[in-house]
Formats: sequence, C-alpha cells, structure tokens
Amino acid sequence: QVQLQESGPGLVKPSETLSLTCSVSGGSINNYYGSWIRQPPGKGLEWIGYIYYTGSTNYNPSLKGRVTLSVDTSRNQFSLRLNSVSAADTAVYYCARAFSPERLENWGQGSLVTVSS
Amino acid sequence: QSALTQPRSVSGSPGQSVTISCTGTSSDVGRYNYVSWYQHYPGKAPKLIIYDVTKRPSGVPDRFSGSKSGNTASLTISGLQAEDEADYSCYSYAGSYTFYVFGTGTKVTVL
Repeated sequence: QVQLQESGPGLVKPSETLSLTCSVSGGSINNYYGSWIRQPPGKGLEWIGYIYYTGSTNYNPSLKGRVTLSVDTSRNQFSLRLNSVSAADTAVYYCARAFSPERLENWGQGSLVTVSS
Repeated sequence: QSALTQPRSVSGSPGQSVTISCTGTSSDVGRYNYVSWYQHYPGKAPKLIIYDVTKRPSGVPDRFSGSKSGNTASLTISGLQAEDEADYSCYSYAGSYTFYVFGTGTKVTVL
C-alpha cells in the first residue's frame, strides 16, 4: 500500500523559506507526478503545483516565482520550497502522487505550517 | 483563477441521497472532462472517490457517482451512511495557464 508522509518545520518566520519533503513508501515515484496542495485554516484546498519524476514542473500562477518543486528518485521523495512567506501561507500542506495530474490517487496526511514571528 | 463553487454544507438522513454541486466556468469544468472528487476527514489523508467526471477508483462503493452538465459537475451519494460524514472537494483541470483548481469544499452531515 502506497503511503506518503510530509515532513518539515511546523513554524516558519515571515519572509523566510518554507521547506517540506514528501517521502513515498510502498511504491515508486518513477512514472508518477508529485503534486502539492495546501489548505489554509477554514478555507478550501489550493493546488500549488506538480513535478514529474523526470523533473518537469508546472506551478499555480498565483505562486509562481516563489515556489520551487524538486524530486529525488533515488530517495523516492519530492520536495517543496516556498520563499518570502507571509501569514497568508499558513496552511496544512499535502503532497499527493498521481499517474496523471488530473487525478490525485494517493495523499499524505498533511503537515501544518504556521508562519509567525 | 477563482475556486470552483460548492455549497458550504449539505445534509441527509441515513439511506437518503445527497448531491453536491461544483460550479466552474467554460474554461475549466465546462471545457474538460477532468473533474475529480475527494473525500477527507479532519487529520486524515484525502481520498480520491471520482475521477474523469464519472469514474470510480477500485474499492470505492458504487453509492458514489459523478456527473456533469455544462459548467457544473455533481457528486451524488446514494444510500447515505454514517461514515459518509466528511468534507468533499472537487478538482478540475483548467487549461495550460491556470492548470488546476479546487472547489471551495462541502461538509456532508448525516442526520
């Protein structure tokens, strides 16, 4: 059974960089997309972007310029970096694995990141 | 790009049917048959229950069904059960600039 687990700091200071890693077990990320999604408190889900195992990426235009996704197939992980964060970036961050980015087949449980000084 | 519009909440008694709407535009839901639906419980990993508008992944009960008309997609839960009480979100491809957009989310309550 495929499992995903997000990891990273739960608290980030304003203007600094948020970094999260998604570790995939029980299945390979080869031939799959890794997507990142977030949910601010009390709000709906927001798509952040995806990375293919080859390294090709697409990002939400509203975050473009601040977000970078990367992949490490040797570790079966993909990662998110979001720079210049503000309180508006406080959210539960989810990673998901997908054979096709139109359907997010396997999700992590999410990681709450709070932006505060 | 605005989020797809869903009702904030819907409710029904056990055994009844409920339908959740997901309204977008002719640039997303109306243009592409790439609408999927996710069930999520607080603190748990969301679960894919419908993809490509109408398809169910293996293991998802056939009580869950999807449809689309114009710019609005819908998820119907038939024979509502207590364990169906959860949040539900739709998700659609929105073209090669915006890429993907989620719905605002709907809380289903089983009375």
